[in-house]
Amino acid sequence: DTGVSQNPRHKITKRGQNVTFRCDPISEHNRLYWYRQTLGQGPEFLTYFQNEAQLEKSRLLSDRFSAERPKGSFSTLEIQRTEQGDSAMYLCASSLAGGARGQPQHFGDGTRLSIL
Amino acid sequence: GNSVTQMEGPVTLSEEAFLTINCTYTATGYPSLFWYVQYPGEGLQLLLKATKADDKGSNKGFEATYRKETTSFHLEKGSVQVSDSAVYFCALVGVGGTSYGKLTFGQGTILTVHP
Repeated sequence: DTGVSQNPRHKITKRGQNVTFRCDPISEHNRLYWYRQTLGQGPEFLTYFQNEAQLEKSRLLSDRFSAERPKGSFSTLEIQRTEQGDSAMYLCASSLAGGARGQPQHFGDGTRLSIL
Repeated sequence: GNSVTQMEGPVTLSEEAFLTINCTYTATGYPSLFWYVQYPGEGLQLLLKATKADDKGSNKGFEATYRKETTSFHLEKGSVQVSDSAVYFCALVGVGGTSYGKLTFGQGTILTVHP
């Protein structure tokens, strides 16, 4: 169990550029979640995958955001035409499926996005 | 919708002091409740959990009891250490519907422990 891995750890970009983050979940986990955390706040849910299917998207996820999990393993989160308000820590978590309440989620160290 | 409210922070304590961080929630039905901890520069780690009323979660000397009547899940530790300095998040997972296990977090409480 190598844990959830996120890359890059830190991304600095100019406003208007596109960025892509990657998340590698724990290998046997079929659920994968993306959260966004701004300074001084708790993480907020963005989207969720079970295997390769994206089953839920938060209203926080504007049309500029897209997430994929093409083979049910790693996932990517892309932000197009970045804005100042996109500056945040983007967290990925994974878990096993099962149970009405879900299984404990394991988090990566996050990707910190800074928009200049 | 679901929501979690944590006590205002930050909290500053001396080593070996008693810790309480208050957490209350709003949710339909019987959510599962969690405390996560975030050390500087790291991701969130699950500290403890409780899945039904009156359950007590415990880990590393921390405890929290699921109180349905007061919709609370306060975190306590009898004697804190400098190494406990971190940000603590209370969170819940709703039951059924389209929850799919997604977490709803409180705003976090910064704990600083001085020697």
